[in-house]
Amino acid sequence: NAGVTQTPKFQVLKTGQSMTLQCAQDMNHNSMYWYRQDPGMGLRLIYYSASEGTTDKGEVPNGYNVSRLNKREFSLRLESAAPSQTSVYFCASSGRQSYGYTFGSGTRLTVV
Amino acid sequence: GENVEQHPSTLSVQEGDSAVIKCTYSDSASNYFPWYKQELGKGPQLIIDIRSNVGEKKDQRIAVTLNKTAKHFSLHITETQPEDSAVYFCAASSSGGSNYKLTFGKGTLLTVNP
Repeated sequence: NAGVTQTPKFQVLKTGQSMTLQCAQDMNHNSMYWYRQDPGMGLRLIYYSASEGTTDKGEVPNGYNVSRLNKREFSLRLESAAPSQTSVYFCASSGRQSYGYTFGSGTRLTVV
Repeated sequence: GENVEQHPSTLSVQEGDSAVIKCTYSDSASNYFPWYKQELGKGPQLIIDIRSNVGEKKDQRIAVTLNKTAKHFSLHITETQPEDSAVYFCAASSSGGSNYKLTFGKGTLLTVNP
């Protein structure tokens, strides 16, 4: 099925460990985004990529890095995980001709 | 940057009643206003959107209205059903061109009681 695929769906990390969240879309969208969702905080933008080869910081970029590997894939890396990064992470994409975002199903990350 | 306020944070209605969720935005340059529905354990899904050159848009039981002067927009759900129970997010776009960066409200938990 066409859409946005995120892996893994669940992850538990120890403080200080690193990991990469993967995201891929098959809709030929130009723009991709990473959001985090915390209770009572809504969806907050971490990083985004307006087009292949570009990335920009969003509202809460500290502690994260991203890579737009190609047009399909946009990964989010936590170099040294902290308990404050416990959250649900969503990847999304949007196309040039469409304003709407398509979201993945999310990655639930717990840092202990 | 853009700031989006959403009210109420929780809303409980009886099946068949109407539900209204309201949002305000701060950036007068914003020109795109989508609404997303998020069911438990899933990602948000676009249910309706409106652009700044339109005052109202309807899709079956769902409608969205926009008041650019007052910088607020609302989601209206009529004849609510238990399957409408979810978290609803409003958003506003503050960027143009090929990148439509959205700023989201904090969400409204809608509960429809049978």
